[in-house]
Amino acid sequence: EPEVTQTPSHQVTQMGQEVILRCVPISNHLYFYWYRQILGQKVEFLVSFYNNEISEKSEIFDDQFSVERPDGSNFTLKIRSTKLEDSAMYFCASVQGASDTQYFGPGTRLTVL
Amino acid sequence: AQSVTQLDSQVPVFEEAPVELRCNYSSSVSVYLFWYVQYPNQGLQLLLKYLSGSTLVKGINGFEAEFNKSQTSFHLRKPSVHISDTAEYFCAVSWGYQKVTFGTGTKLQVIP
Repeated sequence: EPEVTQTPSHQVTQMGQEVILRCVPISNHLYFYWYRQILGQKVEFLVSFYNNEISEKSEIFDDQFSVERPDGSNFTLKIRSTKLEDSAMYFCASVQGASDTQYFGPGTRLTVL
Repeated sequence: AQSVTQLDSQVPVFEEAPVELRCNYSSSVSVYLFWYVQYPNQGLQLLLKYLSGSTLVKGINGFEAEFNKSQTSFHLRKPSVHISDTAEYFCAVSWGYQKVTFGTGTKLQVIP
């Protein structure tokens, strides 16, 4: 069964550094998402992306965050200047169409020191 | 706007006993409903989903859930739990290709 993949599985960075989290959605999917889960908390929506543009973003998704689909397969989340509070598990998800289920990747654990 | 309420943050239950994890939602439109399970330090695994049709949905690992539109509930049940069911369970809603909104989670602790 096709699946969403994410790399790396764990990223450690220093505060103020830029990080790029990578996702490969399922190949025929059209809608892409990023979510995050701070340790011990619920999963929160960050941003959705369709047709090469952001379709919705949450208040968490400020100017420090950006998303990109640089080629036909990758979907990336960039954090320009990481803060301690960005430490979380970041999940990528994708869906084919309106009547389908979102498929989640295994997550990238980001630790900001 | 959609929201999900999981009133029970923790549910202890003895092994082989039945369990019900409660979930209520609110939405101004018809929604899709999901239950995800998360084992420690792991990702989200889809247990089951309701998109349309039969209100009783069966999922993996012997879990099932019933969609009740009048009570806006989607409670998760299992007739006999196993130690390996110890995990955190998230109820979630979405509509079409919109974002998934998660509940705060219920930690199921199965006691031997």
